[in-house]
Amino acid sequence: ELKVEQNPLFLSMQEGKNYTIYCNYSTTSDRLYWYRQDPGKSLESLFVLLSNGAVKQEGRLMASLDTKARLSTLHITAAVHDLSATYFCAVDIRWEYGNKLVFGAGTILRVKS
Amino acid sequence: AAGVIQSPRHLIKEKRETATLKCYPIPRHDTVYWYQQGPGQDPQFLISFYEKMQSDKGSIPDRFSAQQFSDYHSELNMSSLELGDSALYFCASRDRGMNSPLHFGNGTRLTVT
Repeated sequence: ELKVEQNPLFLSMQEGKNYTIYCNYSTTSDRLYWYRQDPGKSLESLFVLLSNGAVKQEGRLMASLDTKARLSTLHITAAVHDLSATYFCAVDIRWEYGNKLVFGAGTILRVKS
Repeated sequence: AAGVIQSPRHLIKEKRETATLKCYPIPRHDTVYWYQQGPGQDPQFLISFYEKMQSDKGSIPDRFSAQQFSDYHSELNMSSLELGDSALYFCASRDRGMNSPLHFGNGTRLTVT
């Protein structure tokens, strides 16, 4: 059974600081996605990582994928309050007849002024 | 751009009642997914459809059923509702042939009293 583990599960940061969220998964996959969710809201796609060594950046967030280590990271640079949300990684599992995303437990990020 | 549309946004039902949730995927997306998200939990995969055929089933109770219609909209039917069914239910769609993320709707918040 596929396991997707995120850590930390809760992260309280000061504005202006840097930190990294880790996502480990237990099966072979070369597709991984990062989503952001605000309380009670939908899931917003942040990054699509489609190959080993993929690196994507958007503003203060940067995501990377190491398929050999089965590890993805989401790096936060100089955090600002607007980044406060829950961040999920999701591994794309595909087979001949279907596919689905399996989510990690999520990391609750709180950025303090 | 068109997004995934879900209805209703909120639904309150009593135990043992029945609920029907609707989802209209993004046009030309051939795959629809249903996820359940409990309070403080990650989204759990329920069921998916590819070209109107069920393609995978996750942790969906036997009391729940779903189908996709000829116009590609999907409905999740939930019977004999239990208090534990209270959750956010998300529908998502994607074009399976593309390496794109799942696009999520705004969700239906079901409260069972």
